[in-house]
Amino acid sequence: ELKVEQNPLFLSMQEEKNYTIYCNYSTTSDRLYWYRQDPGKSLESLFVLLSNGAVKQEGRLMASLDTKARLSTLHITAAVHDLSATYFCAVDPGTYKYIFGTGTRLKVLA
Amino acid sequence: GAGVSQSPSNKVTEKGKDVELRCDPISGHTALYWYRQSLGQGLEFLIYFQGNSAPDKSGLPSDRFSAERTGGSVSTLTIQRTQQEDSAVYLCASSFVSSTGELFFGEGSRLTVL
Repeated sequence: ELKVEQNPLFLSMQEEKNYTIYCNYSTTSDRLYWYRQDPGKSLESLFVLLSNGAVKQEGRLMASLDTKARLSTLHITAAVHDLSATYFCAVDPGTYKYIFGTGTRLKVLA
Repeated sequence: GAGVSQSPSNKVTEKGKDVELRCDPISGHTALYWYRQSLGQGLEFLIYFQGNSAPDKSGLPSDRFSAERTGGSVSTLTIQRTQQEDSAVYLCASSFVSSTGELFFGEGSRLTVL
């Protein structure tokens, strides 16, 4: 059974600090996605990573994919309050049955 | 439409009643997905449609759950004889299969079973 695990599950950080969220998955996949969810809202697509070594950056967020290690990271640089949300990674194992991680609830403290 | 549209946005029902949730995907998107998100939890896969057919129904929790898609567009998720454990947000997503596989989500239907 494909498992997608994120850590940490909860992250409380100060503004201007850096941190990394990790996403590990248990089967071969070259396609990994990051989503953001604000409370009471739906999921917003952040990054699409489609090959080993892929790196995408948008503002203070940078995502990378290592398919050999079955690991993706979401790095936050100089966090700001507006980044407070829950972040999910999702893996497509080739069956279109996307499996989502447990989510990381991020709270950026002013 | 411009995005994935779901209705109703909120539904409160009594235990034992049937409910229908509707999803209107982005025009041209051939793949459609239903996920369930319980309070504070991750996303649970329910069903996937490619066109009007559902090659993967493995995520439906019980035979009380069914879904159909007509005309390669609108999909309906039906829950019969609702139970309190069915309370959750039901999210619909669509994608264009031959592209990056990126899913575009609707705002969800929040179901509360009393």
